[in-house]
Amino acid sequence: EDQVTQSPEALRLQEGESSSLNCSYTVSGLRGLFWYRQDPGKGPEFLFTLYSAGEEKEKERLKATLTKKESFLHITAPKPEDSATYLCAVQGMDSNYQLIWGAGTKLIIKP
Amino acid sequence: GAGVSQSPSNKVTEKGKDVELRCDPISGHTALYWYRQSLGQGLEFLIYFQGNSAPDKSGLPSDRFSAERTGGSVSTLTIQRTQQEDSAVYLCASRGTSGRYEQYFGPGTRLTVT
Repeated sequence: EDQVTQSPEALRLQEGESSSLNCSYTVSGLRGLFWYRQDPGKGPEFLFTLYSAGEEKEKERLKATLTKKESFLHITAPKPEDSATYLCAVQGMDSNYQLIWGAGTKLIIKP
Repeated sequence: GAGVSQSPSNKVTEKGKDVELRCDPISGHTALYWYRQSLGQGLEFLIYFQGNSAPDKSGLPSDRFSAERTGGSVSTLTIQRTQQEDSAVYLCASRGTSGRYEQYFGPGTRLTVT
């Protein structure tokens, strides 16, 4: 069965303290892995798509990496405005439109 | 350009009443999704539209839920005889057809059934 597991459920960091969020997935052939950011009371905001193992993408303080079993979202020197819930989703080869969503990691950056 | 828009942003209704939620996708996007997100929970797929094809309604939780998409653009999600367990945020997303698979979300409609 295809599934996505995100860890930890919640992460509290001090401003400037770098860390990583994990997204483990099981899917029969990966079409794409997606990272989103969701602020309270808002819809998810698209961050990155990764298509194949070894691929990396960066945006400001965020870098997403992908292996055959998991993806990491690395946050370097985070700021309080990086506080949000980060969602991971995968699309398998057996579907051309359905995404399988993780439950998210709630990130809190304390000043 | 304009993103996905949804209306209303908030809706409070009494148990048993019908509600309509609206989604206006990104112009030119042929794929449209509805999701439900309960407090502190992940995204629950409800329904998918792609162009003129028959929609995938496999995620609709009961026959009280229905959705339509007129003219391949605006979509309406209707919940009949609302129940308290229908209280959630309803999110709409659209996707283009350029070979990229990412979805772009609207701000959501927060539905509260009293």
